[in-house]
Amino acid sequence: SQTIHQWPATLVQPVGSPLSLECTVEGTSNPNLYWYRQAAGRGLQLLFYSVGIGQISSEVPQNLSASRPQDRQFILSSKKLLLSDSGFYLCAWSVKTSGNNEQFFGPGTRLTVL
Amino acid sequence: SQKIEQNSEALNIQEGKTATLTCNYTNYSPAYLQWYRQDPGRGPVFLLLIRENEKEKRKERLKVTFDTTLKQSLFHITASQPADSATYLCALLHGSSNTGKLIFGQGTTLQVKP
Repeated sequence: SQTIHQWPATLVQPVGSPLSLECTVEGTSNPNLYWYRQAAGRGLQLLFYSVGIGQISSEVPQNLSASRPQDRQFILSSKKLLLSDSGFYLCAWSVKTSGNNEQFFGPGTRLTVL
Repeated sequence: SQKIEQNSEALNIQEGKTATLTCNYTNYSPAYLQWYRQDPGRGPVFLLLIRENEKEKRKERLKVTFDTTLKQSLFHITASQPADSATYLCALLHGSSNTGKLIFGQGTTLQVKP
């Protein structure tokens, strides 16, 4: 069966520090991958998506970046965090050929920037 | 501009009653609409998908309707239970199904009281 992992689960970082969040998927190959951010009491904001290794599409201009170095690995990064980067970060995957595009979400990372 | 709107006010109902949640959208012509459940501090979990040529879909105590003329979907939980308390998100396919990109509403929190 397929599983998705995210780490760390929680993170407290000072303003201006770098960030690296990792997401890995098991039990499937060539998935579509997504990074979302959810601010407190708000909906999901799509940040990046990837349809293949090295292919990244950015949805919202910001100081974050994403990379997909391997088929089932998706990394969210920042060189210098801002206060506004605080939030709940969710990674998700979907089967490329399902026709339903149901997304499977990871457990999330709670990021607090102080 | 494109919008997806869900009632931001929490819905409080008594156990055993039917909960009805609304999702409205503008400037979209989605091939399908999905509903997810999100518990506090967790990632969303897929519940149901309804296609543009379907009027109604059922799964156990869940029922979803899709009116492409009104640009609205209704999500019903019959015989509601306290365990149904959660935030419910609707999502639309945004763009090509190859990418599987979804745009999410902000969610409606349901509280079922015993």
